[in-house]
Amino acid sequence: GDSVTQTEGQVALSEEDFLTIHCNYSASGYPTLFWYVQYPGEGPQLLFRASRDKEKGSSRGFEATYDKGTTSFHLRKASVQESDSAVYYCALSAHTGGNNKLTFGQGTVLSVIP
Amino acid sequence: GGIITQTPKFLIGQEGQKLTLKCQQNFNHDTMYWYRQDSGKGLRLIYYSITENDLQKGDLSEGYDASREKKSSFSLTVTSAQKNEMAVFLCASRDWGAYYAEQFFGPGTRLTVL
Repeated sequence: GDSVTQTEGQVALSEEDFLTIHCNYSASGYPTLFWYVQYPGEGPQLLFRASRDKEKGSSRGFEATYDKGTTSFHLRKASVQESDSAVYYCALSAHTGGNNKLTFGQGTVLSVIP
Repeated sequence: GGIITQTPKFLIGQEGQKLTLKCQQNFNHDTMYWYRQDSGKGLRLIYYSITENDLQKGDLSEGYDASREKKSSFSLTVTSAQKNEMAVFLCASRDWGAYYAEQFFGPGTRLTVL
């Protein structure tokens, strides 16, 4: 079946540090890949998505590039702020007929220290 | 725009008790979902409903029942609460069949079983 693996369970950074959260997936064909962010007390919300090989998604200074060769969609931000502290989820939606499910990774807790 | 409302926000139950969580959405989406969120395990799908009168089991359906009363509402029942159980239950909705479409989430119901 489809799967998503996030390597980092927790990441602690100082403000203005560079962020990378690794996401690798396993699925047939060309799934759509998503990054969601969840702030305390709220449900996850979409950060951005990508549907084609080499497509870059971006929002609020975060970005990730769809790489079918390495089956990856790593999240990066050049300079994190305290307000970026949240849980980040990588997810995929497979393009099989009638498929309406998202498969989520385990989530990465980002803590940014001012 | 739209909103997903989950009630109650906090739910405290006793071991063996039957507990019901409710979800309402005004996006007019066809598809609705229930997820369980545990620390370090990501979001695991319990039940989903593609359209009104449809019900599909997810990966974690054992111990739960679900009901899609109408297009805008989707309920989840914990059939027998387990002692020391703590989790957040998230409801979500999405347009049917659009594999690239984002899911919108509610703020969650936090369950504690004494």
